[in-house]
Amino acid sequence: DAKTTQPPSMDCAEGRAANLPCNHSTISGNEYVYWYRQIHSQGPQYIIHGLKNNETNEMASLIITEDRKSSTLILPHATLRDTAVYYCIVRVPVIIQGAQKLVFGQGTRLTINP
Amino acid sequence: GAGVSQSPSNKVTEKGKDVELRCDPISGHTALYWYRQSLGQGLEFLIYFQGNSAPDKSGLPSDRFSAERTGGSVSTLTIQRTQQEDSAVYLCASSRGGRHLQRGNIQYFGAGTRLSVL
Repeated sequence: DAKTTQPPSMDCAEGRAANLPCNHSTISGNEYVYWYRQIHSQGPQYIIHGLKNNETNEMASLIITEDRKSSTLILPHATLRDTAVYYCIVRVPVIIQGAQKLVFGQGTRLTINP
Repeated sequence: GAGVSQSPSNKVTEKGKDVELRCDPISGHTALYWYRQSLGQGLEFLIYFQGNSAPDKSGLPSDRFSAERTGGSVSTLTIQRTQQEDSAVYLCASSRGGRHLQRGNIQYFGAGTRLSVL
């Protein structure tokens, strides 16, 4: 799996958009970008994933650059409950019956301030 | 149930004792994973199951650690002769697996078991 680089911490004001960057310059053509987050004392939670097109769901938007070497997770209207560690992971999708481990880096500790 | 269930939520044990941690995955999920997270650290993969078989045990730190899954559902992680360095939160996750390409790769996590070895 490609290595990812994220800033160790970020702050954002409540109600503003939180933009979390991730560099994955060695990503290969068949690797997807996944984002998870871990709120204190909870298990990680899936947020969103994508290959090359921008993606949006009820939680967030994912913007992937054209060369796919970096991406940005956007929380459009951050709330206090979005305070968590956010992990960017790149990996190949399941192509045979089976599954793969997730390799978590250190992530970005996002703090939403009132 | 609606999500991955783990029990107990907290376990305190004495050094040298054996412990069993239980994971009940989301119904219908064929893949099951165990991770652990030491205090202030990232998640460390331990083992994964596809059905009842364990194709990848590469993350088990020593032969004191073992896991089984019967009936393609509930899994038990056993740690024998616990040591203080085993203290961590043990997390279980499940995913659909199978032919579901992208969505089958999404892992859903339980709340974890916090193990403290005194």
